[in-house]
Amino acid sequence: DTEVTQTPKHLVMGMTNKKSLKCEQHMGHRAMYWYKQKAKKPPELMFVYSYEKLSINESVPSRFSPECPNSSLLNLHLHALQPEDSALYLCASSQGDRGPLAQYFGPGTRLLVL
Amino acid sequence: AQSVAQPEDQVNVAEGNPLTVKCTYSVSGNPYLFWYVQYPNRGLQFLLKYITGDNLVKGSYGFEAEFNKSQTSFHLKKPSALVSDSALYFCAVRDFQTGANNLFFGTGTRLTVIP
Repeated sequence: DTEVTQTPKHLVMGMTNKKSLKCEQHMGHRAMYWYKQKAKKPPELMFVYSYEKLSINESVPSRFSPECPNSSLLNLHLHALQPEDSALYLCASSQGDRGPLAQYFGPGTRLLVL
Repeated sequence: AQSVAQPEDQVNVAEGNPLTVKCTYSVSGNPYLFWYVQYPNRGLQFLLKYITGDNLVKGSYGFEAEFNKSQTSFHLKKPSALVSDSALYFCAVRDFQTGANNLFFGTGTRLTVIP
C-alpha cells in the first residue's frame, strides 16, 4: 500500500464551526506533514510530526490544531476559521524526518470557509 | 537560506516534442532536490530526486532531471511529451536549516502539451 488517504475530499464550514480533517497512511512511515495550498501557489508547510510527536509548527494560528493519535493517523482540528483559511489542505508522509526522503502526498481536502 | 526558483509560469510544447521545465536552486552545502507533479484537484506526486552521484536522475513516467552544479540548476526533462503530461510541476529543495525533511517548493510551472 503506497497511498496516503485524506477525508473528507471537500468541506464547507462556517466561521463558528468545529471540524476535523483526517489523514491515514499504511506505509510504515514515521513522519507526517500538513501543508496548506492556495490556488496557483506552492504548498506551504504547517506542521511536521515525527514518531508521533510534533517537531515543527510553522507559526500556524491556534485555530488549527494538529493531532497524531498513532503512527498511521494524522488529524487537523479546525475551529473558528476565517474565510482566508479556504485552501487545499494536503497531508504527506515520509519514512522519517531526517535525510533526503521523498514525501508522499494525499489528494487533499478542499476547504471552503464561509 | 535555501530556495528554488522556477522562472517560467507556463510552458507549452507540442505532443511528441522534448520538454524541459526549468529550476534553479540556492542552498548552503549540498542540495537535495525533488520534482513533483500535481494534476488538477489532486495532491502532489513524487517524480524523482537528486541526492548525490550521477547528474542525470531518472524518475517516474519517463521523466528525468539533470543536476548542474556550476549553473545551480535541476531542470526536468522528457524526450517525448504526452498530452497526459499536462499538469503543474513543482521543484523543491530540502530544508537544511532545521535539519528536518521539510521541503521548500518553487512557485510551480504549468506545462501544457498541445496535441
